[in-house]
Amino acid sequence: DTGVSQNPRHKITKRGQNVTFRCDPISEHNRLYWYRQTLGQGPEFLTYFQNEAQLEKSRLLSDRFSAERPKGSFSTLEIQRTEQGDSAMYLCASSLLNTGELFFGEGSRLTVL
Amino acid sequence: DAKTTQPPSMDCAEGRAANLPCNHSTISGNEYVYWYRQIHSQGPQYIIHGLKNNETNEMASLIITEDRKSSTLILPHATLRDTAVYYCIVRVNNAGNMLTFGGGTRLMVKP
Repeated sequence: DTGVSQNPRHKITKRGQNVTFRCDPISEHNRLYWYRQTLGQGPEFLTYFQNEAQLEKSRLLSDRFSAERPKGSFSTLEIQRTEQGDSAMYLCASSLLNTGELFFGEGSRLTVL
Repeated sequence: DAKTTQPPSMDCAEGRAANLPCNHSTISGNEYVYWYRQIHSQGPQYIIHGLKNNETNEMASLIITEDRKSSTLILPHATLRDTAVYYCIVRVNNAGNMLTFGGGTRLMVKP
């Protein structure tokens, strides 16, 4: 399968713990995006990378969130000191430059107890 | 990016055409109209996009009004697998513009 891959698919953690999600984009895609989606809402933009450079971050991305794409390939999204409000589906997408055709992964669902 | 307005939900009979409307009255001349859908528990899926001409692909047709203030996504023969939330998004096609999703339309295809 050459689509966008995310893992883990599900993560249950206790409040205050750190969690990390990984995204493997489609190999030739320069752009990589992270979105968050809560129940009944549309996806909300968090951040995006062009190759290894993080070019934009949403106000939603608090100091507890950090994203990296060290070699311009896979990306990680880390949430430190998780809170119950962080419970959501975290979606990764990738695309070529200058296109609105994003390819999304299946998402990583986070539950913070 | 311009905001869009979509009905929160619609029903469609299986085998019939599903016509999903979208209003984008403040759209700029360089903003494209994109449609995505999200089937339950999956990531969003690109369907189609257009600037001002009508577009058709294997999944759907996109009809954009002449003044570009509204558009309609047409699924010509809806199946049960088309049950999903459909998002209409307007976006400038240049570097740095991400997609901004609204609430979408929840389409229920019924047998």
